[in-house]
Amino acid sequence: EAGVVQSPRYKIIEKKQPVAFWCNPISGHNTLYWYLQNLGQGPELLIRYENEEAVDDSQLPKDRFSAERLKGVDSTLKIQPAELGDSAVYLCATTPRGGDTQYFGPGTRLTVL
Amino acid sequence: AQSVTQPDIHITVSEGASLELRCNYSYGATPYLFWYVQSPGQGLQLLLKYFSGDTLVQGIKGFEAEFKRSQSSFNLRKPSVHWSDAAEYFCAVGAPGYGGSQGNLIFGKGTKLSVKP
Repeated sequence: EAGVVQSPRYKIIEKKQPVAFWCNPISGHNTLYWYLQNLGQGPELLIRYENEEAVDDSQLPKDRFSAERLKGVDSTLKIQPAELGDSAVYLCATTPRGGDTQYFGPGTRLTVL
Repeated sequence: AQSVTQPDIHITVSEGASLELRCNYSYGATPYLFWYVQSPGQGLQLLLKYFSGDTLVQGIKGFEAEFKRSQSSFNLRKPSVHWSDAAEYFCAVGAPGYGGSQGNLIFGKGTKLSVKP
């Protein structure tokens, strides 16, 4: 069974530029999470989707961050414009319907110069 | 508010030695508890989890953890460490309602494990 796929794995951009990350969940997993992981820290939730509905986006900085999950499968996370402090690893995780375990992708490491 | 504390930022052990990584949580009810491992450049992999029942849980790669409600702890142990265990380890607790309408995890800051030959 394929795991959670994320792309790109690495991204380097200049500040004020836009950037997007993509996540493809494990087949059949209806819950999808985006986490932010700063260096030396644990992951922190940005947004959680149940199918195509964002059920918890309270930690998403909505002035510059946006996310979507069209058709309840793939998801994209966008930052526009990026700031230096956005340099971090962005992790996607998914959970099957009725499941209790989150399965993580390898993450996208963003560097903002 | 729920929180997870991992008191040790970095631990170094010799290969073959035993290991214990500490985790303390702050939570009002019976928590859902997890240990994840993250190797460099990789995502998080679940080692084990505790939801209820036997307080000593077995996981993958020879790891185990013990839930102690009186101490609000969920420490991870391994009797004999291998060089391949070098990684970062994260303890996490399910936020209120985990498994229901609120499925978020709250992570500790992690403990980096180094293994000496």
